[in-house]
Amino acid sequence: DIQMTQSPSSLSASVGDRVTITCRASQNISTYLNWYQQKPGKAPKLLISTASSLQSGVPSRFSGSGSEADFTLTLRSLQPEDFATYYCQQSYSFPLSFGGGTKVEIK
Amino acid sequence: QVQLVESGGGVVQPGRSLRLSCAVSGFTFSNHAVHWVRQAPGKGLEWVAVISYDGSDKNYADSVKGRFTISRDNSKNTLYLQMSSLRPEDTAVYYCARDRTGTTLFFDYWGQGTLVTVSS
Repeated sequence: DIQMTQSPSSLSASVGDRVTITCRASQNISTYLNWYQQKPGKAPKLLISTASSLQSGVPSRFSGSGSEADFTLTLRSLQPEDFATYYCQQSYSFPLSFGGGTKVEIK
Repeated sequence: QVQLVESGGGVVQPGRSLRLSCAVSGFTFSNHAVHWVRQAPGKGLEWVAVISYDGSDKNYADSVKGRFTISRDNSKNTLYLQMSSLRPEDTAVYYCARDRTGTTLFFDYWGQGTLVTVSS
């Protein structure tokens, strides 16, 4: 099974900051990596698929990069609505798996 | 617009069964694989199961294999999760989620979730 490790597990940042979240897979998953945003009490929302493909309607301040086992989600110029928990997910093989999440809080 | 609406959650005793449903609208259900993903209270996301567009192929997480069964009725635009031999660790919000196609294995639309609590 593929293990997904996110870091950090939480961070505090201010509006306007640049934030970077990393996700590491336990093996090479090519670019089969997806990112989701979840706000309290809500379902997750797909932000980025296949490592770097921004979903329609997602602001361009979000970007994803990486391949093989190391991936990054970058939030450029953090906005108030971006405070949430972010999850990575591998779609390379079954069982599908998520990272443990990164909670982005207001400093 | 695309909608997925789960139902069937509730409080159930350990060892008992429960069936969740997910009614979909706004897209051609029979063209998409669909998944169940769960989230224990205060915890992260855990993928549970997937069923192919025509129901011919299914995959499960090891934690539910042999106890949960995913199925679908394309004539009713509805996805199901039959859960048996429930354990306290199955307590979670259960989301149904659409696969982008049938093979992408990521989730582009989600329902609002239904809470299952396994407790005596």
